[in-house]
Amino acid sequence: RKEVEQDPGPFNVPEGATVAFNCTYSNSASQSFFWYRQDCRKEPKLLMSVYSSGNEDGRFTAQLNRASQYISLLIRDSKLSDSATYLCVVTLTGGFKTIFGAGTRLFVKA
Amino acid sequence: DGGITQSPKYLFRKEGQNVTLSCEQNLNHDAMYWYRQDPGQGLRLIYYSQIVNDFQKGDIAEGYSVSREKKESFPLTVTSAQKNPTAFYLCASTSSFRLAPSTDTQYFGPGTRLTVL
Repeated sequence: RKEVEQDPGPFNVPEGATVAFNCTYSNSASQSFFWYRQDCRKEPKLLMSVYSSGNEDGRFTAQLNRASQYISLLIRDSKLSDSATYLCVVTLTGGFKTIFGAGTRLFVKA
Repeated sequence: DGGITQSPKYLFRKEGQNVTLSCEQNLNHDAMYWYRQDPGQGLRLIYYSQIVNDFQKGDIAEGYSVSREKKESFPLTVTSAQKNPTAFYLCASTSSFRLAPSTDTQYFGPGTRLTVL
């Protein structure tokens, strides 16, 4: 079983739609959680950190459920420019290991 | 402008050749990392360096070597011993080795795409 698992997609949604991605992690020593965005053939860029209390940044909302060991990303009012791969990233306690999920591909269509 | 640069952007290698990928940062970061990304897989850690003149193997170090003679530079050599080198290679840095990653963003370079002919 992979340490961080994501639905690879692709998710094909129309502009304006709301879309949600989930990510599960297997290591209970996981400490910090992030969502990164990666455009085709480009480097990953930090989208947002994920906190237990949940956090929101504009159209993006991230949530963490430690009991069930999953994190989620919700994108509201999707834009064409949201088309990318979204990586779930988990860092273990002590900070010495960061694990990247394989990513979920999103295509937003006009 | 501070950031991380990688060169070349595209690299073609013949079987049996060693090649070196460059990674330079002017962010004054202590820690640097090399990752490999294959289609349908997450990034996998090859090597990391916490500080100058120090480096450690990551999860998939076989067939690779690194050096850290200067704070700003962390070149990766892909040797002929690496059986499947075709991949997207990403260099990253953090201001300090990630003891408290929630307070420290990992910056990535633009990547080098290596293809074995």
